[in-house]
Amino acid sequence: DAGVTQSPTHLIKTRGQQVTLRCSPKSGHDTVSWYQQALGQGPQFIFQYYEEEERQRGNFPDRFSGHQFPNYSSELNVNALLLGDSALYLCASSPGGSPLHFGNGTRLTVT
Amino acid sequence: AQSVTQPDIHITVSEGASLELRCNYSYGATPYLFWYVQSPGQGLQLLLKYFSGDTLVQGIKGFEAEFKRSQSSFNLRKPSVHWSDAAEYFCAVYMEYGNKLVFGAGTILRVKS
Repeated sequence: DAGVTQSPTHLIKTRGQQVTLRCSPKSGHDTVSWYQQALGQGPQFIFQYYEEEERQRGNFPDRFSGHQFPNYSSELNVNALLLGDSALYLCASSPGGSPLHFGNGTRLTVT
Repeated sequence: AQSVTQPDIHITVSEGASLELRCNYSYGATPYLFWYVQSPGQGLQLLLKYFSGDTLVQGIKGFEAEFKRSQSSFNLRKPSVHWSDAAEYFCAVYMEYGNKLVFGAGTILRVKS
């Protein structure tokens, strides 16, 4: 049984560009959450998707947006990239409620 | 505001020695508490969780944690550390309002032989 899978594993972008990160939740999980983990810090909540709707959002600007598809997979989009957006982006899934299973993340580097 | 504090940024223990990682939280309601482990370049793996009931929780890899409401703590313990336990450990509290985990800054565990 595959766990949470994220793609790509690594990504290098230039300031001002846009990026899309992808997440497939664990089988049977309908809720997907995204977290940003800057170097040397704990993960910070970006937003959560359930039934294709953004259910909750953390303290992130509108440049960060997302989507959830009918098969529960999800995308995280970041526009107008800044150097400070360089981080490990983690996707987590759960059958509702608290996220229990995390993917290995996408390492985004903005130059 | 809800927060999680992990007072120790780095901890070094000898292989075979016991381990205790500290975690204090600030949360007004009954907390749901978690410990995760992260190896370099990897995602987070759930070690154990506390929702209710017995305050001593057993997890994977021989870890356990004890919830102490009076001290707002949820410390992680292991009786005998193995070299493979070297990693970064994160304590987190789940906020039902917001449906999100709030993480501490993490503790890096080094194991010396």
